[in-house]
Amino acid sequence: AQKVTQAQTEISVVEKEDVTLDCVYETRDTTYYLFWYKQPPSGELVFLIRRNSFDEQNEISGRYSWNFQKSTSSFNFTITASQVVDSAVYFCALSERWDSNYQLIWGAGTKLIIKP
Amino acid sequence: EAQVTQNPRYLITVTGKKLTVTCSQNMNHEYMSWYRQDPGLGLRQIYYSMNVEVTDKGDVPEGYKVSRKEKRNFPLILESPSPNQTSLYFCASSLQAKMNTEAFFGQGTRLTVV
Repeated sequence: AQKVTQAQTEISVVEKEDVTLDCVYETRDTTYYLFWYKQPPSGELVFLIRRNSFDEQNEISGRYSWNFQKSTSSFNFTITASQVVDSAVYFCALSERWDSNYQLIWGAGTKLIIKP
Repeated sequence: EAQVTQNPRYLITVTGKKLTVTCSQNMNHEYMSWYRQDPGLGLRQIYYSMNVEVTDKGDVPEGYKVSRKEKRNFPLILESPSPNQTSLYFCASSLQAKMNTEAFFGQGTRLTVV
């Protein structure tokens, strides 16, 4: 069963528009972490944010903001005033306990295209 | 500079010809892992290592081998590659095998098996 769902396969907006990338997760653990990573066209994976399950405060970092809502199991990512350089694939991931280890479970990714 | 280095970046090979993708990190991280990325599937873990000489299977280990003889290196071995192993591969490391630890990724290796 899919544990991290990024329902938007691809989003295309015009530069300066705001855009929200959705992430819905599923877990039975009470303690877990959520991550967002960015994969630009060059291919590397860049860490953006980490949020633990006990901290539901929204976070803002420049034009980026994240909305974590446990009640709906969502951890959405908004880019304000988008720029062409924001074009990338964005991944949401869930870190939860798995046996004696932890497992990082990834969504399928959302490809974001920002048109000039 | 702190980094995870994978080589090669691109590789085209033929079915059945053994290959190794190297991965090295300079951050003294305990935990290392290999992922493959396929369209529509995100990243899936192949193998992971919690420390030297400790390795274990991830979600999709079939057809792969790994070793962890030194802390910094974690090579991925395909003994007999097949076309279904054509994918983008990432090596990752983190300080410890803990839930909240950020993973650092290599640049990726795009493998094509013909």
